[in-house]
Amino acid sequence: DGGITQSPKYLFRKEGQNVTLSCEQNLNHDAMYWYRQDPGQGLRLIYYSQIVNDFQKGDIAEGYSVSREKKESFPLTVTSAQKNPTAFYLCASSIDIQTSGYTFGSGTRLTVV
Amino acid sequence: GQQVMQIPQYQHVQEGEDFTTYCNSSTTLSNIQWYKQRPGGHPVFLIQLVKSGEVKKQKRLTFQFGEAKKNSSLHITATQTTDVGTYFCAGRVTGGGNKLTFGTGTQLKVEL
Repeated sequence: DGGITQSPKYLFRKEGQNVTLSCEQNLNHDAMYWYRQDPGQGLRLIYYSQIVNDFQKGDIAEGYSVSREKKESFPLTVTSAQKNPTAFYLCASSIDIQTSGYTFGSGTRLTVV
Repeated sequence: GQQVMQIPQYQHVQEGEDFTTYCNSSTTLSNIQWYKQRPGGHPVFLIQLVKSGEVKKQKRLTFQFGEAKKNSSLHITATQTTDVGTYFCAGRVTGGGNKLTFGTGTQLKVEL
């Protein structure tokens, strides 16, 4: 079955460490996205990519980095520069950025200890 | 920047009662989508509305896009416990780069 996979589901990190969250899709979607969700909050866009080897900053990109070397993969690195990294991170993909709905992964819950 | 607000933030209903959530944008939208997120889960795409005044139905759910394309609503008739979750609208700004801006969400709880 086609879908979007995020790993790991839960992640613990010490302050000052970088950590990379994985996102893989086999839907042949061109566009991919990373969102952050805090408790009781909506979704805030971190980065998005419309096509391979291209990505754009979203509304809260500071302290994060991404790459899009393959169509299927869009990993997110949470760097030590991100002041409040504890959150639920959601990856999504869509056929295109203009018109289609998003398919979300099941998310990674990151806790900084 | 563009803002998409939803009201109410929370809603508790008795099973069988109706429920409505409203979505308002500060700017005109080219289209609007609705998502449902179950507790502990991830958002799932429900529907997209594109035309001014458009109304779409999915069983007990009715979605409406305003005439000015700046607001939308989701109405659930005769709620069931399976309707529990947070409902998000998400809009694309006309000429605004095409990415979705998500609303603040309405959390629905259904009591027996």
